[in-house]
Amino acid sequence: SQKIEQNSEALNIQEGKTATLTCNYTNYSPAYLQWYRQDPGRGPVFLLLIRENEKEKRKERLKVTFDTTLKQSLFHITASQPADSATYLCAPPYNQGGKLIFGQGTELSVKP
Amino acid sequence: DTAVSQTPKYLVTQMGNDKSIKCEQNLGHDTMYWYKQDSKKFLKIMFSYNNKELIINETVPNRFSPKSPDKAHLNLHINSLELGDSAVYFCASSQDISGGNQPQHFGDGTRLSIL
Repeated sequence: SQKIEQNSEALNIQEGKTATLTCNYTNYSPAYLQWYRQDPGRGPVFLLLIRENEKEKRKERLKVTFDTTLKQSLFHITASQPADSATYLCAPPYNQGGKLIFGQGTELSVKP
Repeated sequence: DTAVSQTPKYLVTQMGNDKSIKCEQNLGHDTMYWYKQDSKKFLKIMFSYNNKELIINETVPNRFSPKSPDKAHLNLHINSLELGDSAVYFCASSQDISGGNQPQHFGDGTRLSIL
């Protein structure tokens, strides 16, 4: 069955540094990959979608890469701020009816 | 104006009871979903509906019955609640059902606790 693995440990970084989160998937080949942010007590919020023919996608301080050979996506936040502290979820869709398969998330903490 | 709204936000009830959770979206989307997030934070799809038609049913116990009276609403009824049903249930919507290239918009969840 499809499996998604994200950094299992929480990530603690200093304000201003770049945070890099990893998402690995196995047993399928998604044509897209989505990233979401979840704050405590709230629902996930969509951040970025990258297609399999796009190696890299950027939005403001966010950058996502998608390596279909390695079956991996990297999510970068540059010039990180304490407000970026949240759990980040990777969700490569299973190409059937829009079904998203979520990783367990990586909890990011940015210290001032 | 909240895009995807769920009620209630919290639900505390006894084992064996029957309860419902309601969801409404005002985005004009065709597709709606129910997800379950357990204590380990894994978010798993349960059901999806497209224009009131059931599309995905992820081998959820038949104690869970979704109902979509129109494409803006998707409700979840749970019979004979069990301890293992304790979780946060999220409703979501997307423009349509196309294969995963649509962002999904989530509500803020219903926290269900079974005593």
